[in-house]
Amino acid sequence: AQKITQTQPGMFVQEKEAVTLDCTYDTSDPSYGLFWYKQPSSGEMIFLIYQGSYDQQNATEGRYSLNFQKARKSANLVISASQLGDSAMYFCAMREGAGGFKTIFGAGTRLFVKA
Amino acid sequence: DAMVIQNPRYQVTQFGKPVTLSCSQTLNHNVMYWYQQKSSQAPKLLFHYYDKDFNNEADTPDNFQSRRPNTSFCFLDIRSPGLGDAAMYLCATSTYRDRGTDTQYFGPGTRLTVL
Repeated sequence: AQKITQTQPGMFVQEKEAVTLDCTYDTSDPSYGLFWYKQPSSGEMIFLIYQGSYDQQNATEGRYSLNFQKARKSANLVISASQLGDSAMYFCAMREGAGGFKTIFGAGTRLFVKA
Repeated sequence: DAMVIQNPRYQVTQFGKPVTLSCSQTLNHNVMYWYQQKSSQAPKLLFHYYDKDFNNEADTPDNFQSRRPNTSFCFLDIRSPGLGDAAMYLCATSTYRDRGTDTQYFGPGTRLTVL
């Protein structure tokens, strides 16, 4: 069973607008971490933001925020004030506390920012 | 700045000719990973080192080997590259405390071409 689902293969957003990238997950482990990574065309995987399963507040890092809805098992990434440099592939990922060293990645969402 | 470094960034090899990719880190993390990522796909974990303990994923071909001579360095050896091994190879590091939810930090990747 797929544990991380990103249902948007591609998204378009106008520069300076906000965009939400969807991510749902499935786990029975009460302890887990959720991550978002950005991968530009250069190939580097850039860590953006982390949300722990026990965190009470939604994570924020600059223009990035994570809309964490635990009951719905969703961890959507919100990018505010999009910039042309935000055009990239975005991966949602999860690590389970009992899962050892394995990171489970979603299929990714390719974001295109229009000028 | 602490970081994960991969060399070379681009590697071209011939079919069947052994190749070694290198990764170094200044984060002093005790876990190092190697991922293979093919075009438009999520990264696929090949293996990882937890300190000196080597852990191979079940579906990693025997053609792929790894060495970790010390905490800072890790190498990926491809003994006889095939055309299907052309991909981006990503090195990542993390700490590992009592649970496996620590953030992974990735290097810039090595793009391997097999002629």
